[in-house]
Amino acid sequence: NAGVMQNPRHLVRRRGQEARLRCSPMKGHSHVYWYRQLPEEGLKFMVYLQKENIIDESGMPKERFSAEFPKEGPSILRIQQVVRGDSAAYFCASSPGGTTTGELFFGEGSRLTVL
Amino acid sequence: GQQLNQSPQSMFIQEGEDVSMNCTSSSIFNTWLWYKQDPGEGPVLLIALYKAGELTSNGRLTAQFGITRKDSFLNISASIPSDVGIYFCAGLPPSSNTGKLIFGQGTTLQVKP
Repeated sequence: NAGVMQNPRHLVRRRGQEARLRCSPMKGHSHVYWYRQLPEEGLKFMVYLQKENIIDESGMPKERFSAEFPKEGPSILRIQQVVRGDSAAYFCASSPGGTTTGELFFGEGSRLTVL
Repeated sequence: GQQLNQSPQSMFIQEGEDVSMNCTSSSIFNTWLWYKQDPGEGPVLLIALYKAGELTSNGRLTAQFGITRKDSFLNISASIPSDVGIYFCAGLPPSSNTGKLIFGQGTTLQVKP
């Protein structure tokens, strides 16, 4: 009865390194969403993926950020050459289909700290 | 882009008191949702509203979808210590069929036993 699983829960990187965040959706869910939460703020949409497809990446920064959801395995959010401003909590959510209800099931988040 | 203004930003209340928070927008939404986030955790859905004017309850929680489709409120009655956390409103714009929610800034609730 696993929910959305994210790892690592906490990640520390130095400026210029790469960060990889992983997300396994709930069983039976084929749609994954990534959101970012800066300290003291609400969540901001980044990207929406289905298996092997990026459906909407309008919230992704133009550079250094990429996301994938391969046929096998978890969804990956990759941040290259991290900077201090990338420090945030990154949440993954899933839904059984392309939701029009907005009801998303969130993971516990991955907290990235860039030194 | 669309924004949600959530108020109050924080509340410090006595156990047993009722709580009210709201969200407003300059644009309309098709769906309003209220989430709660505990420290170090992800948001958990509390209530979802789909129709203008809809009033929905979940235990001690009651939420309404404003008739103009530009606002929503959440009430918590008889608060208890475990109500502590950050409450977020979120809206699904009419143009979105991709789960692209717009979140408010959150209301931090603290309850004094």
